[in-house]
Amino acid sequence: DQQVKQNSPSLSVQEGRISILNCDYTNSMFDYFLWYKKYPAEGPTFLISISSIKDKNEDGRFTVFLNKSAKHLSLHIVPSQPGDSAVYFCAASPFTGNQFYFGTGTSLTVIP
Amino acid sequence: DVKVTQSSRYLVKRTGEKVFLECVQDMDHENMFWYRQDPGLGLRLIYFSYDVKMKEKGDIPEGYSVSREKKERFSLILESASTNQTSMYLCASSLFHRGQAGSAQHFGDGTRLSIL
Repeated sequence: DQQVKQNSPSLSVQEGRISILNCDYTNSMFDYFLWYKKYPAEGPTFLISISSIKDKNEDGRFTVFLNKSAKHLSLHIVPSQPGDSAVYFCAASPFTGNQFYFGTGTSLTVIP
Repeated sequence: DVKVTQSSRYLVKRTGEKVFLECVQDMDHENMFWYRQDPGLGLRLIYFSYDVKMKEKGDIPEGYSVSREKKERFSLILESASTNQTSMYLCASSLFHRGQAGSAQHFGDGTRLSIL
């Protein structure tokens, strides 16, 4: 059973606008969350993370928000650029164990 | 910058063959991982290793084994390849365990394996 879900397989956004990618999880033991970006024919690259002691983490154009009560996190990209077009995966890890659980990915297309 | 190198980008093998996928990282990372990526299923963990000669099963270890004889090298072995093991295989490494800065995984570019 998928413990980390990305319900939108794809998203299209105009250049300069905000991109919002969503991720839901079911396991209340998850306490550390990451976002990865993946271009075709390349491996995923780490983008940004957040610990459950925070509800927001920002890095340049990328901000991750965590809503623990809703078991929901989101990645905001502002402003979106054509080079942001990629597949985005969210991942979560419980405070026990060393495993990360990945979502199915959302393919973002930023239209120039 | 961390470099994770997978030995092959594309591989075609036959059903029943024993298949070896090799992965090398150059940053002295403790942890190494093997995932497979399939459409609609995301990345699923096959095995991981947190030290030389140590290994732990992930979510889908059936039909696979691993070997970590040296810290920098982590091999995935398909004991007797089957068509349902056709997939993209991704190797990753990380410095620390989860929850700490530095626990983000660095991935190789993947091996597209086809079993005929």
